[in-house]
Amino acid sequence: DVKVTQSSRYLVKRTGEKVFLECVQDMDHENMFWYRQDPGLGLRLIYFSYDVKMKEKGDIPEGYSVSREKKERFSLILESASTNQTSMYLCASSVSRTRYTEAFFGQGTRLTVV
Amino acid sequence: GNSVTQMEGPVTLSEEAFLTINCTYTATGYPSLFWYVQYPGEGLQLLLKATKADDKGSNKGFEATYRKETTSFHLEKGSVQVSDSAVYFCALGLSNTGKLIFGQGTTLQVKP
Repeated sequence: DVKVTQSSRYLVKRTGEKVFLECVQDMDHENMFWYRQDPGLGLRLIYFSYDVKMKEKGDIPEGYSVSREKKERFSLILESASTNQTSMYLCASSVSRTRYTEAFFGQGTRLTVV
Repeated sequence: GNSVTQMEGPVTLSEEAFLTINCTYTATGYPSLFWYVQYPGEGLQLLLKATKADDKGSNKGFEATYRKETTSFHLEKGSVQVSDSAVYFCALGLSNTGKLIFGQGTTLQVKP
């Protein structure tokens, strides 16, 4: 079975902290994505990666960075967390950028910044 | 640019009612189209997909047809159940990047 695993379901962090959200997929997919989900706004793409050490900005990259040192792992970093980054974060993966199929999603991490 | 617009919710229906959730898109090139579903407390699951014009995707009694002439991909089900209560997202996939672009989501509540 296809699996995308996010390291935490719930996180509470303080303003100004550096926060790491981890995502691992076991499908040998090339593409990995980070989205945030907010009511009324749907899912907005933060960053995506189509290969190890490659990354591209999505629609809302400000305040975030990413790391992909291994194919199966894609980390989202909040350099200095702020309250407006309180949200649900969803990681996804898909086969490749040249052979597009559906994306598979993790369970999500609900982050609260206080 | 590329975008997806869904009908606003919430949509409240009685069990066995007919469901339509409208979705229209703007895209360059030839995108794939998807419907995802998110049950309470869970991540998104693929419900159905269509990869080219006039394709019909179907799953679990839901169906949607890729209409290029009206740039639409409306979701339908003939008889909804309480267990269909969830948030439904329409999305388009860009073949040159692998990016998925989502609509804002439509909450469906089905009452017994």
